[in-house]
Amino acid sequence: DTGVSQDPRHKITKRGQNVTFRCDPISEHNRLYWYRQTLGQGPEFLTYFQNEAQLEKSRLLSDRFSAERPKGSFSTLEIQRTEQGDSAMYLCASSSGGRGRNEKLFFGSGTQLSVL
Amino acid sequence: AQRVTQPEKLLSVFKGAPVELKCNYSYSGSPELFWYVQYSRQRLQLLLRHISRESIKGFTADLNKGETSFHLKKPFAQEEDSAMYYCALSAFYTGGFKTIFGAGTRLFVKA
Repeated sequence: DTGVSQDPRHKITKRGQNVTFRCDPISEHNRLYWYRQTLGQGPEFLTYFQNEAQLEKSRLLSDRFSAERPKGSFSTLEIQRTEQGDSAMYLCASSSGGRGRNEKLFFGSGTQLSVL
Repeated sequence: AQRVTQPEKLLSVFKGAPVELKCNYSYSGSPELFWYVQYSRQRLQLLLRHISRESIKGFTADLNKGETSFHLKKPFAQEEDSAMYYCALSAFYTGGFKTIFGAGTRLFVKA
């Protein structure tokens, strides 16, 4: 499967613990997005990378959230001191960016986080 | 503010009936709009984008700038169309552009 892959698929953690998720985009894609989705809502934009540069971070993202994309390849999203409100599906998407705003996003299967 | 609104959480139609999923947007510039779909146990995927003026799986969507709408339509719904549908907008911001999504509409096509 050469699509976007995310790991793990599911994560259960206790409140206050740190968690890290990984996203491997399609290899030639230079743009990478993180979204968060809760029940009954659409994907909410969290942050976005163009190669290794993090170009925007949503106000939804508190200081407990950090994302990296070293060398412009895979990306990690870390949540420190998790809270129950962090429970959600975390989606990663990538695109080649070749068509500008008409880019097609390719999504991963997501990581379902449950904070107990 | 940039916003995508899908007023219906759930739309239920009979097989063979026409279907229209509503989408309204708020954006000060020239909009680039999309419909994404998520079938059961599958990933979110692009269905169509307005720039392509295409028909995918019998679905079409027309941009109406006057009404700021981008409704998705199909003349004869099929059971396999049952899925979550998300309208999306690609919006400029100071760092470039990003795609934002509506809350989604679940389409249920009854036999």
